Amino acid sequence: DTAVSQTPKYLVTQMGNDKSIKCEQNLGHDTMYWYKQDSKKFLKIMFSYNNKELIINETVPNRFSPKSPDKAHLNLHINSLELGDSAVYFCASSQGAAPEAFFGQGTRLTVV
Amino acid sequence: EDQVTQSPEALRLQEGESSSLNCSYTVSGLRGLFWYRQDPGKGPEFLFTLYSAGEEKEKERLKATLTKKESFLHITAPKPEDSATYLCAVRLGGGSEKLVFGKGTKLTVNP
Repeated sequence: DTAVSQTPKYLVTQMGNDKSIKCEQNLGHDTMYWYKQDSKKFLKIMFSYNNKELIINETVPNRFSPKSPDKAHLNLHINSLELGDSAVYFCASSQGAAPEAFFGQGTRLTVV
Repeated sequence: EDQVTQSPEALRLQEGESSSLNCSYTVSGLRGLFWYRQDPGKGPEFLFTLYSAGEEKEKERLKATLTKKESFLHITAPKPEDSATYLCAVRLGGGSEKLVFGKGTKLTVNP
């Protein structure tokens, strides 16, 4: 059983398009995150939700909008995609502020 | 500004050749330092958490240590399957709970 699953794994799209990445966790965790890993492999947090409430919102363009329909899901919607949005996006979950966060396999987004 | 720096960026070892990876940090209100392992095309996998200076954690060939300014990940007699990128992260205090990651050390162990 996959603990944190993301779809799709690969996403190639044109500039200006709107796309979504889905994330689901079956660990019963109450906190979920979105991270961005750029071409230099630098992993940086974007958002964090606890029990469907936004608790961390880093300096991310308004084109990125997370949505948490329930505790087990945290989706990422991106409007008007730009070339600089190309990266690997990771979803993760943890139980509260527990140190052990479980990461998904990542979604490689390529904007052309 | 809170910062996490890992060195070296890349490290090549022969099988059995022990070494250490470094993670230095300048953060206020540290609430834990974490080590993760990341294999190509996969998400980071949690290894260790350290909370206070002098603390040590071990897992198989890996041992993590912490001082007030840095952490070391010691790899004893590594095997090719230890090849991966090792990421260090710190959790900030002040209610933010966010993890700040270093850029990682890419370790290659040759047979």
